[in-house]
Amino acid sequence: DAGVTQSPTHLIKTRGQQVTLRCSPISGHKSVSWYQQVLGQGPQFIFQYYEKEERGRGNFPDRFSARQFPNYSSELNVNALLLGDSALYLCASSWTSGAHTGELFFGEGSRLTVL
Amino acid sequence: GQNIDQPTEMTATEGAIVQINCTYQTSGFNGLFWYQQHAGEAPTFLSYNVLDGLEEKGRFSSFLSRSKGYSYLLLKELQMKDSASYLCALGSSYKLIFGSGTRLLVRP
Repeated sequence: DAGVTQSPTHLIKTRGQQVTLRCSPISGHKSVSWYQQVLGQGPQFIFQYYEKEERGRGNFPDRFSARQFPNYSSELNVNALLLGDSALYLCASSWTSGAHTGELFFGEGSRLTVL
Repeated sequence: GQNIDQPTEMTATEGAIVQINCTYQTSGFNGLFWYQQHAGEAPTFLSYNVLDGLEEKGRFSSFLSRSKGYSYLLLKELQMKDSASYLCALGSSYKLIFGSGTRLLVRP
């Protein structure tokens, strides 16, 4: 069975541009979460979606937005890119909406470089 | 806040045992997770503690003491492939809060 898939795997943008990252969860998983991982740090929570509704949002500016589609795939959008947005963006899926009820399955991530 | 502290780096020898500690300052969480992350790869789940005590899964064990705000991950019979970062994370209702991770280097 396919795991969590993310695209693109690598991308380079310039300051002020916009980026869209995509994620397909494991089949049957209804929850998708997004995390940002800066080099040398642990992942930081951005959003969680369950059954197409936003269930949680981390401490990120409004330039970050996301949505979940009827097939449970998800997109993360970041507008007006800053140098500090350079990071690995991880998508994770799970069966339930609660992170405490089971493990999260992470994709390989999308590595964004902002120049 | 929910400050989570882990040592930045550790070194151990192949075949040995290593303990990676994690301390935190909060009582508001449902469970404590440990993830392994090889360089350039996704984090993968290792273990999960809800109640105080020891959880054992093969070569890996994890311990939690809520009263002491303390957890550890114990790796036995270290192998070269265990060289990776180990992330401690607190699970709340909809998210994981990660520490900065501990980079473990296993030497022959």
